[in-house]
Amino acid sequence: AQKITQTQPGMFVQEKEAVTLDCTYDTSDPSYGLFWYKQPSSGEMIFLIYQGSYDQQNATEGRYSLNFQKARKSANLVISASQLGDSAMYFCAMREGIGDDKIIFGKGTRLHILP
Amino acid sequence: ETGVTQTPRHLVMGMTNKKSLKCEQHLGHNAMYWYKQSAKKPLELMFVYSLEERVENNSVPSRFSPECPNSSHLFLHLHTLQPEDSALYLCASSQDREGGIGETQYFGPGTRLLVL
Repeated sequence: AQKITQTQPGMFVQEKEAVTLDCTYDTSDPSYGLFWYKQPSSGEMIFLIYQGSYDQQNATEGRYSLNFQKARKSANLVISASQLGDSAMYFCAMREGIGDDKIIFGKGTRLHILP
Repeated sequence: ETGVTQTPRHLVMGMTNKKSLKCEQHLGHNAMYWYKQSAKKPLELMFVYSLEERVENNSVPSRFSPECPNSSHLFLHLHTLQPEDSALYLCASSQDREGGIGETQYFGPGTRLLVL
């Protein structure tokens, strides 16, 4: 079974609108961390935001926020006021347990921002 | 600029060639990673080095040979590759496992490899 599921292979959004990128995860470990990365066409992976399984509040970083619904095992990324430069691949990822270096990535969602 | 550099950025090689990919991190981290990103596939973790020791090798073929001479440098030596090895190879670094599960991996820009 997939550990990280991103069901939207591609999305088109008008500039300045808010965007929600879906991510669900599967783990039986009570301790885990969730990450979102952005990958522009240049190829580099840019860290956006992190949510810990024990964090009480949803993480926010500037225009990025993570809608963390633990019971549903959902960690959607919300981008407010989208910009043309937000066009990229977005990857949801998870690290399970204490002391595990492995981060498991989803297949990604390609976001296109339209002018 | 994430503090992780990779060279070369692009590489074309024949199946009989030997080449090396280089990664350098300037973040003071002591864990480094190699990932492979093929088209339409999730990122695949290849190797993990923590404190300069290899701690993970995800069944990667022996034609890929990693080397970590110190905590700032990571190499991936390539020999007799196959066309299906063509991909984007990403290097990442993080603080070691004692930093906890929230330790973010920071990625380099990647090397786009084409095997002919």
